[in-house]
Amino acid sequence: NAGVMQNPRHLVRRRGQEARLRCSPMKGHSHVYWYRQLPEEGLKFMVYLQKENIIDESGMPKERFSAEFPKEGPSILRIQQVVRGDSAAYFCASSPDLQETQYFGPGTRLLVL
Amino acid sequence: SQQGEEDPQALSIQEGENATMNCSYKTSINNLQWYRQNSGRGLVHLILIRSNEREKHSGRLRVTLDTSKKSSSLLITASRAADTASYFCATDQAGTALIFGKGTTLSVSS
Repeated sequence: NAGVMQNPRHLVRRRGQEARLRCSPMKGHSHVYWYRQLPEEGLKFMVYLQKENIIDESGMPKERFSAEFPKEGPSILRIQQVVRGDSAAYFCASSPDLQETQYFGPGTRLLVL
Repeated sequence: SQQGEEDPQALSIQEGENATMNCSYKTSINNLQWYRQNSGRGLVHLILIRSNEREKHSGRLRVTLDTSKKSSSLLITASRAADTASYFCATDQAGTALIFGKGTTLSVSS
């Protein structure tokens, strides 16, 4: 059973470009979570999705950030018009149900030049 | 604000010694999880302990939970150099987001 997959592992963007981060949950998991980690910090929750629905986006910036989890295909975290402050590691996690273990992917390290 | 706060921030020990890390949190929880992160890598899940449990074991790991004190501890026995990593506790409040502390950086020297 493959773990949570994320791609790309590293992404370099110039200011103003768009960044698309992909996450494929573990097989059988319908709950997906996105977190952001700044250097030397713990992870900060961004958004929680179930198939085709955003359940909790309380940690996501109101502008430029969006997330989706379509019926088919991976979950996408999209950052429009990136700024240097968006440089961070973005982790996706999945779980089979609420209040169950969240399994994390390897992360996407975004660098904005 | 951070829900979980790990203590100490950094810990250096010799191989074979035990390592104890503590985590305090602020509000009621459903469960508490411990994760390990090697430098520049993803998080590896170690143990989940539910609010009605007091202690759990997994191999060389022992986790305790005291809900009256809103605290948890992670004990790694007979540590190895490969245990060198950052350790995070994470709590869930409403069953969705995990709230992470800033972590304890463990260094095990041979």
